[in-house]
Order: sequence, then structure tokens, then C-alpha cells
Amino acid sequence: AQSVTQPDIHITVSEGASLELRCNYSYGATPYLFWYVQSPGQGLQLLLKYFSGDTLVQGIKGFEAEFKRSQSSFNLRKPSVHWSDAAEYFCAVGARRGSTLGRLYFGRGTQLTVWP
Amino acid sequence: KAGVTQTPRYLIKTRGQQVTLSCSPISGHRSVSWYQQTPGQGLQFLFEYFSETQRNKGNFPGRFSGRQFSNSRSEMNVSTLELGDSALYLCASSSDGSTRDTQYFGPGTRLTVL
Repeated sequence: AQSVTQPDIHITVSEGASLELRCNYSYGATPYLFWYVQSPGQGLQLLLKYFSGDTLVQGIKGFEAEFKRSQSSFNLRKPSVHWSDAAEYFCAVGARRGSTLGRLYFGRGTQLTVWP
Repeated sequence: KAGVTQTPRYLIKTRGQQVTLSCSPISGHRSVSWYQQTPGQGLQFLFEYFSETQRNKGNFPGRFSGRQFSNSRSEMNVSTLELGDSALYLCASSSDGSTRDTQYFGPGTRLTVL
């Protein structure tokens, strides 16, 4: 069965510092991979996605993520965090085929706090 | 294009009542998925509809049901509400519902069951 693990429940960084949010997945084959962000009282906004090809993908707001098949990881990074990046971040996986096609499996989320 | 809209945004009900939530997808999108978000269980998939047909269903009791109309708008219904149904219910739309197709989320409906 598909599953997603985000080991860090809460991360605090200073504004201007670099950021890495971890995501590990369990899946029988290479899934589709996503990072979403959720601000308080809001829905989910897609930051970036990986389907195939270059394992380093660029997203909105200066975020990037790297797919590492050998580690079953899809970590999200940003070189310099802004106060407006404070939010909750969710990693998700989706099947490429089969009965669960179209269904996303989410990690439990990482809450990011940014110190001024 | 207008984004995914959900109504109402907030809802308070009492145990035993039923509730209907509405989702209007992005224009031209034919797939609508529903997710429940709680602090204890996180984001969990409820079901997905495409062209008025339920194609996929998560592990929720039969009290949770949904439907999709010919204009792709979707509703979900929860009958005999329980305290544990208190959650943020998120709707997402996509063009054809395949995983490769990006799911765009609405702002959610916050349901509180007293």
C-alpha cells in the first residue's frame, strides 16, 4: 500500500536561512510525487510535482524538490526562506496506474515557523 | 478562470443530524475528489467522481456519500453526524482525474459537530 512519511512535524528556521523538508514514500513502483502548501484557513496549493525526467524539479515561490529513487525520497528545499513561507507543507504521492489512479496519499504535514 | 469553490465555508451541526457540502470545480474540469482533514488522521481520501460516476472510494463508512451532477458540480453528504466527523472537508478538481493531472483544491468547508 502507498504511504508517505514526513518525519518532521514542526520546523523552525530564521528568515533568510535555507530550508529542507523531508518526505519518504512507500510504493511498489515510482509514483507521481507532489508538494502542497496550506496556509491557515486555506485549501492546498500545489508547489511542484514530479512525473518523470529530470529528478530535480522547480516549483513556485522559489521551491525545488529532488526525487531520489534509491532513497524513496522527495525532499523539498528553498535556499532562502521568507516570513511569508510560514505554513504547513504536505508531501503526496499518487499512483501511475491501477485502482487507485487519481487518488492522492498525503503525509501528515510539516509545520514551518519562520523567525524574523 | 475561477478556482474551486466550496459552500458553505463553515458549518455547525449537532450529533445525529445530516449535512450536505457543495463543491464547484474549475470550469472545464470533470473530476472532483473529496478529502477529509483532521488533526488526528491528517488528509484522507473520501471519494472521486468523474462524469457523474464514482470511480474511487476511500475507507469511510456508508454515512459518507456523494454525487456529481452533469455540470460537474459535486455534493457530499454525511448522515447521522458523529463528533468525530468534525473536520475540514476539502474538494479538489482536475481535468480528467488521472494522477498526472494536477488536482486544484478549494478552501474547504469547516464542519463542527456538537
